[in-house]
Amino acid sequence: ETGVTQTPRHLVMGMTNKKSLKCEQHLGHNAMYWYKQSAKKPLELMFVYNFKEQTENNSVPSRFSPECPNSSHLFLHLHTLQPEDSALYLCASSQGQAVYGYTFGSGTRLTVV
Amino acid sequence: AQKVTQAQTEISVVEKEDVTLDCVYETRDTTYYLFWYKQPPSGELVFLIRRNSFDEQNEISGRYSWNFQKSTSSFNFTITASQVVDSAVYFCALSEAIQGAQKLVFGQGTRLTINP
Repeated sequence: ETGVTQTPRHLVMGMTNKKSLKCEQHLGHNAMYWYKQSAKKPLELMFVYNFKEQTENNSVPSRFSPECPNSSHLFLHLHTLQPEDSALYLCASSQGQAVYGYTFGSGTRLTVV
Repeated sequence: AQKVTQAQTEISVVEKEDVTLDCVYETRDTTYYLFWYKQPPSGELVFLIRRNSFDEQNEISGRYSWNFQKSTSSFNFTITASQVVDSAVYFCALSEAIQGAQKLVFGQGTRLTINP
């Protein structure tokens, strides 16, 4: 149990589908993040939330829509994705700028067909 | 801009050999933090170590050791007497403070395979 739980672990969706990824942390952290990990690419930061307010959007296409209803939950809503969006999506949390690094979830392996 | 380079894409060694993973970083910040993470096949990234820019003391934790050299902007990671369970992808990362949170810039990772 890592303290950050992501569901589902695997997801296959068509390009016209709408789905959501869920992330939950029970560590009392105030900041939550979405990262994308594609094959042979560095981890790419997508979104940052601090006390449920979005503080960074790293030029992510609008077909990815984040939602953070509270400091413990983070969602990534997906619609009309492209095959190149297939990747491992990792959620992480941290306690502010405590710089102890992130606690990561196990990720959602997304395949767009 | 912040940048982390892990030049070794893949390394394969035989069990019990020592192996060093290289990490070179670029930053204009005077205060920063460096990290190493391990990603086993299960997917989650596991925190290994954090080092701040003012502390150049090398660190040893069991079979793991880290060599931080500010003069060459490097933060290398050595596994001594490697074991099959060490097989994973290892990421080096550099922190950047943002509003109330922190942004980690990751290298491309080094896939380490330890063969029995």
